Amino acid sequence: ELKVEQNPLFLSMQEGKNYTIYCNYSTTSDRLYWYRQDPGKSLESLFVLLSNGAVKQEGRLMASLDTKARLSTLHITAAVHDLSATYFCAGGGGADGLTFGKGTHLIIQP
Amino acid sequence: GAGVSQSPSNKVTEKGKDVELRCDPISGHTALYWYRQSLGQGLEFLIYFQGNSAPDKSGLPSDRFSAERTGGSVSTLTIQRTQQEDSAVYLCASSLGWGSIAKNIQYFGAGTRLSVL
Repeated sequence: ELKVEQNPLFLSMQEGKNYTIYCNYSTTSDRLYWYRQDPGKSLESLFVLLSNGAVKQEGRLMASLDTKARLSTLHITAAVHDLSATYFCAGGGGADGLTFGKGTHLIIQP
Repeated sequence: GAGVSQSPSNKVTEKGKDVELRCDPISGHTALYWYRQSLGQGLEFLIYFQGNSAPDKSGLPSDRFSAERTGGSVSTLTIQRTQQEDSAVYLCASSLGWGSIAKNIQYFGAGTRLSVL
């Protein structure tokens, strides 16, 4: 059974700073996903990572995958307030659905 | 284009009543998923439909929960004799189907917030 753990679960940071969210998973997963959720809103897909060493970047967000360590990271560069949200990583999919981490609640303060 | 549509957006019901939640997937998406999001349990997978195939119901929390998908499109999640622990946000997602990279991304609806009093 796939288990996904994120840390930290809560992060308060200042604008302009860099930080990393970590996502560990317990068993082999074909794919690793990152989603964003704003309060009261749906989940928005950010990245899909397929293979060891995969790196995807969109704006100030960069996601990477190390399948040997069963670790994915979401790196935030020079944070801005608009990035405040809850970020989820998830593995699995298909008939078993996605297994989500508990989410990282990110607050970026001016 | 239109995204995944769920209705109602909010539902308040009394303990013991039945509720029905609806999901309209993105047109052309063959795969449909139901999840539940609550403070205590986080995001939990409930059930998956691929086209018209019979789903695996083992992820449903109890036999009070059932789901169907008509014509390979619209899906309803029914909760009978609701209990307070059923209070949560019920999210529906759809995708093009399991397989290639692009087909596998699940697109989520805004959810139905269920409150059982």
